[in-house]
Amino acid sequence: EDQVTQSPEALRLQEGESSSLNCSYTVSGLRGLFWYRQDPGKGPEFLFTLYSAGEEKEKERLKATLTKKESFLHITAPKPEDSATYLCAVPQGGSGNTPLVFGKGTRLSVIA
Amino acid sequence: EPEVTQTPSHQVTQMGQEVILRCVPISNHLYFYWYRQILGQKVEFLVSFYNNEISEKSEIFDDQFSVERPDGSNFTLKIRSTKLEDSAMYFCASSLGIAGANVLTFGAGSRLTVL
Repeated sequence: EDQVTQSPEALRLQEGESSSLNCSYTVSGLRGLFWYRQDPGKGPEFLFTLYSAGEEKEKERLKATLTKKESFLHITAPKPEDSATYLCAVPQGGSGNTPLVFGKGTRLSVIA
Repeated sequence: EPEVTQTPSHQVTQMGQEVILRCVPISNHLYFYWYRQILGQKVEFLVSFYNNEISEKSEIFDDQFSVERPDGSNFTLKIRSTKLEDSAMYFCASSLGIAGANVLTFGAGSRLTVL
């Protein structure tokens, strides 16, 4: 069973059309939820970390929020340069240095 | 800004050949990782490395794979006898501390094509 599920798989927006991406997780005792951006042919680039329900982080047109079961990445008035795949990841669980487990990502296209 | 550097950016090899992918993590980071991403699929964990030994590995990381930190700066992934299904993008990452509490910084990746 996937520990991290992202939706939608793909999203096409007009420039300026705000929307939200969803990440739901099933690991217990969440020790951080990470959002990354991945451009084609590149490595994931860190955006945000959230640690507790109710927490919010913002960066330019992006805002990430966290509840007990899911996280949202809100994109306000997106621009074409926001086009990328957005990845959500959580530590696998247990103690110590458990690896980050990634979702399949949401492929965002912003059309001018 | 510090970055993780990977070489080569693209390698083409014949099935059964050995491949070594190289990474230079961020200099003050202590934890090192290899992930892979098959085209169109999700980023998958292979192995983590700390204090000169493997700390975690996935089912993918079988006896054909090995990692090494041969000196104070490089971190390598070796695939002994490549298979067609090893074709993927391989990402090296490093972090200052353990993964949950610290950000993983990824390199740009090494694309491996096995023919």
